[in-house]
Amino acid sequence: DAKTTQPNSMESNEEEPVHLPCNHSTISGTDYIHWYRQLPSQGPEYVIHGLTSNVNNRMASLAIAEDRKSSTLILHRATLRDAAVYYCILRGSGGSNYKLTFGKGTLLTVNP
Amino acid sequence: SAVISQKPSRDICQRGTSLTIQCQVDSQVTMMFWYRQQPGQSLTLIATANQGSEATYESGFVIDKFPISRPNLTFSTLTVSNMSPEDSSIYLCSAVAGAANTGELFFGEGSRLTVL
Repeated sequence: DAKTTQPNSMESNEEEPVHLPCNHSTISGTDYIHWYRQLPSQGPEYVIHGLTSNVNNRMASLAIAEDRKSSTLILHRATLRDAAVYYCILRGSGGSNYKLTFGKGTLLTVNP
Repeated sequence: SAVISQKPSRDICQRGTSLTIQCQVDSQVTMMFWYRQQPGQSLTLIATANQGSEATYESGFVIDKFPISRPNLTFSTLTVSNMSPEDSSIYLCSAVAGAANTGELFFGEGSRLTVL
């Protein structure tokens, strides 16, 4: 699996936007970019994923660089419940080999 | 979507014993996986649970230590055999819903094992 690099931790204030960066310079043309988050004492949960174009859903937005070597997860208005470890993961497109390899992720702290 | 239930949610086990964790999904899913999360660490994939055949193990994990069953499309078990304190971890079941190549991965709440 191609490797991703994320900051170990980030801090934000409640109700402010948060931009979580991820570098993936060795991404291949068919790799999807997935984001998951893990709240304290819970299993990870899916946030968003994309291939080339920017993506939006009810939880977040995903901005993908034109060369696809980096991406940014955007939380438009952080809440205390967004405090979690956020994982950026690359996943190949081969359907028979769907597995996600988790890195260390970014620990997001949200201050009230 | 898929809701994943794991049992037990936590247990305290004695060294040398074995424990089986059950994973039940509320809908048929294409693929199921087992992960381990050691204290303060990220998730490590143990194996892919294949329906009706032997699981596919990742490097560092073997069938004798972590036998896995998947008799149908909604159920899987992971056994942690001959446990030692180093096996104290959270074990997480996960499954892909929808198309295998784009579907999101759902996780159970995890089974927290403490080995004394």
